[in-house]
Parts: sequence; C-alpha cells; structure tokens
Amino acid sequence: NAGVMQNPRHLVRRRGQEARLRCSPMKGHSHVYWYRQLPEEGLKFMVYLQKENIIDESGMPKERFSAEFPKEGPSILRIQQVVRGDSAAYFCASSPIEGASDYGYTFGSGTRLTVV
Amino acid sequence: QQQVKQSPQSLIVQKGGISIINCAYENTAFDYFPWYQQFPGKGPALLIAIRPDVSEKKEGRFTISFNKSAKQFSLHIMDSQPGDSATYFCAPTLWAGNMLTFGGGTRLMVKP
Repeated sequence: NAGVMQNPRHLVRRRGQEARLRCSPMKGHSHVYWYRQLPEEGLKFMVYLQKENIIDESGMPKERFSAEFPKEGPSILRIQQVVRGDSAAYFCASSPIEGASDYGYTFGSGTRLTVV
Repeated sequence: QQQVKQSPQSLIVQKGGISIINCAYENTAFDYFPWYQQFPGKGPALLIAIRPDVSEKKEGRFTISFNKSAKQFSLHIMDSQPGDSATYFCAPTLWAGNMLTFGGGTRLMVKP
C-alpha cells in the first residue's frame, strides 16, 4: 500500500522559470493538502483540495501560485516565475475524510525546490 | 493562522532519559492536539494525538499531557533512544477543520 507519492524529490529552477510539483494521494484518499516548510521552520498550510475542487486556499500567495486536483491524475502545485524566496520544501498530505481523524494526515516525503 | 509556540527549539538527552517538549496555543476552539515526528528528508508522521476530553494519553514510551485552562500540551518521551532523534512538531487544529497549525519544531538529539 504505497503512501503519498511526491515527485520530483528535488527540483532546481532558475529565477523566472515555472515549477510544477506533483502529488499522488494514498489509495482511497480523496482529500489533498499542500504545505510549505522553510528551513528551520514548521510547516505552513497552503491549500486544501478535493477532486476538481479547491476547498480552502487561504494559505496560498495571491500571485504566481496555483493548485489543482483533476478528476484523473495527481494533484499539481504550480509556481510561476519562481523567485529565490520560493526555495523551500513543499509537502503534500492526504486523508480519507475531511477534517482530522485518528488516522491523521499522511504526508509525502516532499519536494525540495531550489531557485538559483 | 493562530500562533502556536513550541519549546525548547532544541533538546539533547542521554539515552534512557526523559524528553519533554511543550506546546502553547492561542485558539481556544482547537479540539485536536497531535504531535508529529519528522526525520531528515521525510515528511512529518503522526506520532500521538489527544482530544480535550482527557488530560493524558499514553502510547508505549510516548505520553501527551493536556492542560486546557493553560492552553498547553506537552509530549513526554520516556526511556529516550537514539532512534528517537528527530524533529517534533505540535500541530493543534479543529477536529472538523482542514488544516494543521504547526509549531516551529523541536529538534531532539538522543545521545547513546
């Protein structure tokens, strides 16, 4: 039973390029969450999606960032025109139901984005 | 997001000792209090969690103590082992909500 799969594990982009991060939730999980972790800090919520719907994007920067979770395929976090400040680890989590549960949220191993 | 403060930021404990990490929160509506464990290069993993109807929960060597009036909860690791060396995050939230509010993390090192 594969866990949450994120790819790529490491991504290097030059300033101004686009970064595309992918997340496949655990089998049977239809709720996906994206978090960002800056070095030496805790994770910060970005967005919560269900299939074909953005439910809560209160943590997403207003510009350059977008997320989707199509009917088929992985969830995608897209960052356009990346800047050095976007360098961080981006984690995806999934859950079988909305809200917390005794199962918690299952996190992937993250994508480490470096902007040069 | 409501503020969540963890202490200490780092902790060194001898093998067999007790590790204690504290978490203070502001949002009185929070009703689910988990601790996550993160190893380098990995995502956080749920370690143990508590609901506010109990003041303490124990799972093996790990115990959560919850003080609702003080808006604090803590993680105790008994008989700490080198394999426990990791970063620990508290992440209080709403049971019916959809986001975790992470503390800044505590880096634990257990010396052999």
